[in-house]
Amino acid sequence: GAGVSQSPSNKVTEKGKDVELRCDPISGHTALYWYRQSLGQGLEFLIYFQGNSAPDKSGLPSDRFSAERTGGSVSTLTIQRTQQEDSAVYLCASSLLGYSGNTIYFGEGSWLTVV
Amino acid sequence: EDQVTQSPEALRLQEGESSSLNCSYTVSGLRGLFWYRQDPGKGPEFLFTLYSAGEEKEKERLKATLTKKESFLHITAPKPEDSATYLCAVQSQGAGNTPLVFGKGTRLSVIA
Repeated sequence: GAGVSQSPSNKVTEKGKDVELRCDPISGHTALYWYRQSLGQGLEFLIYFQGNSAPDKSGLPSDRFSAERTGGSVSTLTIQRTQQEDSAVYLCASSLLGYSGNTIYFGEGSWLTVV
Repeated sequence: EDQVTQSPEALRLQEGESSSLNCSYTVSGLRGLFWYRQDPGKGPEFLFTLYSAGEEKEKERLKATLTKKESFLHITAPKPEDSATYLCAVQSQGAGNTPLVFGKGTRLSVIA
């Protein structure tokens, strides 16, 4: 597609439920990133995928968070047993190569509200 | 630990009133410094990447500059459509790839 596509754009879930957020990167982009943006906070790195290499999971806040990338394209971020502090905008981004100076393009985000 | 501090947190300008936004950073070797614009309810939109001290880049009314400790985003004769949050991020050199570290942003309002 023309840009990074994320779904759902908005999700309201009950505390304790699991949620899945989807990201379709720009076609041909081998690097994919997930960030989280809470109200009044900067973007917080969560996880990074580059080609077939093992993902960099160093930003995942707890073991309730996981992500996978199938076929080197679409990625799913899963949050298990959601908590109210998980409420945030989850942003996906992609770039042609890894971090080394290539432009990173963001999607519009998935707004998650845990009630 | 890499850190990015942006100031001011919020800035209100009259249309045509030029100003600058500041991004101070500490990194263990800079690979690149990035500026993004974010409109409410939208994802960040890429503006510039700067790689070395002394580098400058321009786009319409925006000019970004870089020193060894900070970057400035200069806005010349701003218009109301320039109202947005401006985000600064750094990427440090390291073994393999390193994630972008973002500041909290400067919320710019331009009043007609």
